[in-house]
Amino acid sequence: DADVTQTPRNRITKTGKRIMLECSQTKGHDRMYWYRQDPGLGLRLIYYSFDVKDINKGEISDGYSVSRQAQAKFSLSLESAIPNQTALYFCATSESGTGDVDGYTFGSGTRLTVV
Amino acid sequence: GENVGLHLPTLSVQEGDNSIINCAYSNSASDYFIWYKQESGKGPQFIIDIRSNMDKRQGQRVTVLLNKTVKHLSLQIAATQPGDSAVYFCAEAYSGNTPLVFGKGTRLSVIA
Repeated sequence: DADVTQTPRNRITKTGKRIMLECSQTKGHDRMYWYRQDPGLGLRLIYYSFDVKDINKGEISDGYSVSRQAQAKFSLSLESAIPNQTALYFCATSESGTGDVDGYTFGSGTRLTVV
Repeated sequence: GENVGLHLPTLSVQEGDNSIINCAYSNSASDYFIWYKQESGKGPQFIIDIRSNMDKRQGQRVTVLLNKTVKHLSLQIAATQPGDSAVYFCAEAYSGNTPLVFGKGTRLSVIA
């Protein structure tokens, strides 16, 4: 099984619909992240969580919300999807507590299309 | 993966040659830098990292160079192979308690 699992892998939804993307990890890490990837723009941070009780906005949080249901689970919601939210979404996890930044482990991504 | 390579700078190299991928980072106070490789249909994968107190670090077939004076990071791949074809991202972090900020990426295309 993958260390970081994202569901669904692909989703097409209509404008105005609420949609949830789910992420679970088996690494036992405290920290989880949601990034969005668009052609030519790299990965941009949407939200991140350093532990179950911690939620922080990233660079592009408008139009999104998150829930950290457990150490292993971090879900991303689009409250009312719009076409410019069409993108590839990645969840990632990393260790904490050492004071050092560790390499992130990424999921395989969710391709979201808003029509 | 998929069409995320559109509009990216592209580097084409002959199989067996060395590749150099460059990155200009944004924050002069960043302490930590990572290179990631993203193959089609997959998430980014860690390649190598370097701290700001170093200017060079070597791994297996890869070397990362850091020039803090001009805020420049490079990834050198020795004896480039077809399996190295991917999009490469640099990422930086101010500290262990700030998330990674990613660059826009470079597509490496290896010509057999």
